[in-house]
Amino acid sequence: TQLLEQSPQFLSIQEGENLTVYCNSSSVFSSLQWYRQEPGEGPVLLVTVVTGGEVKKLKRLTFQFGDARKDSSLHITAAQPGDTGLYLCAGGDRGSTLGRLYFGRGTQLTVWP
Amino acid sequence: EPEVTQTPSHQVTQMGQEVILRCVPISNHLYFYWYRQILGQKVEFLVSFYNNEISEKSEIFDDQFSVERPDGSNFTLKIRSTKLEDSAMYFCASGLTYEQYFGPGTRLTVT
Repeated sequence: TQLLEQSPQFLSIQEGENLTVYCNSSSVFSSLQWYRQEPGEGPVLLVTVVTGGEVKKLKRLTFQFGDARKDSSLHITAAQPGDTGLYLCAGGDRGSTLGRLYFGRGTQLTVWP
Repeated sequence: EPEVTQTPSHQVTQMGQEVILRCVPISNHLYFYWYRQILGQKVEFLVSFYNNEISEKSEIFDDQFSVERPDGSNFTLKIRSTKLEDSAMYFCASGLTYEQYFGPGTRLTVT
């Protein structure tokens, strides 16, 4: 079983602050996906990274895949209350043929006005 | 924007009953999945489906579970004889390359 550990589990910050959440594993993944999940809803895909060292930006969100493809980070600049939610990372374990995703437990982010 | 849809949104059933959860994947996707999430726990993989057959299944996906793509648009998960511990959110997902897109889920409550 491939485990993904996310940290911190909870993060509570003020509007305008920057933050980074982490997703770590001892296993190598072929791809790493970040999702955001609201209570009672399905995960919504934010980004997929597939190449070691890859960096992707989505407005104020920056995603990085570690060189060894074992870890990833999500950095949010100038957080806003609308960023509040559960952020999940999920690793794929099979090349270009989609295999199962292994999910972390998530980071619950709260951004206060 | 195309999205995965699931019905029903909430299903309540008695222990031992059969349930069928339905999904309509994104139309040009080739890979289909079911995951589940027990309240307060991680999202867990159940099964993947490609080219009209199961390509991978987890240890959770025992003989009580089955999947089917009865036509060109629907993808179903059947639980033959539900147990209390089957109570969870069930998510369908579909994909074409690396990405997997999830539906809104069906909340299954077994009483």
